Amino acid sequence: QVQLVESGGGVVQPGRSLRLSCAASGFTFSRYGMHWVRQAPGKGLEWVGVISSDGSNKNYADSVKGRFNISRDNSKNTQYLQMNSLRAEDTAVYYCAKPEGHTANFASWGQGTLVTVSS
Amino acid sequence: EIVLTQSPATLSLSPGERATLSCRASQSVNSYLAWYQQKPGQAPRLLIYDASNRATGIPARFSGDGSETDFTLTISSLEPEDFAVYYCQQRTNWPITFGQGTRLEIK
Repeated sequence: QVQLVESGGGVVQPGRSLRLSCAASGFTFSRYGMHWVRQAPGKGLEWVGVISSDGSNKNYADSVKGRFNISRDNSKNTQYLQMNSLRAEDTAVYYCAKPEGHTANFASWGQGTLVTVSS
Repeated sequence: EIVLTQSPATLSLSPGERATLSCRASQSVNSYLAWYQQKPGQAPRLLIYDASNRATGIPARFSGDGSETDFTLTISSLEPEDFAVYYCQQRTNWPITFGQGTRLEIK
């Protein structure tokens, strides 16, 4: 069965950087584009970005464009979210999400990792 | 950016009743609309994709309808475990967007 495990969250000061990881198992990771979705405390869901199956194409929400970078290592079945110039409004639970087929219907989610940006 | 507006914000019903949740898009999303259920402390769960298709393992009491800009999620007879927050999501255009959610609470 599909399993997605995020790690790397924590408390970080504004302006600093943090890298999240999402380890995947139970499916052929290299065949799927992968997404990140976040949820601020008590708020709704916000799509963060996507990386294509081979890592050659990426797309981001305007709110993180130029600050966040998604990458992947298909040999390790892992995707990453590099977050730079963090702001208080980036505080959220960050989910790794796998789409159904080649759609953007998010059939599988990780448990999420909490990032808190605070001085 | 396509804005999805969900209504009502909160819906108070009793077990056994029928629930109707709405999602309206600021422009056509064709039928590329999904619904998710989220319970406290849990990741979202895909219920419906492409407006009317139930995801794997989703009970038949959940159904979706609509196209273009107006969509509905119906729960035919509420079970205690259905009380949660529901989100719609479109995948027609980048960026992918979600509605703000409808909280379904026990009356």
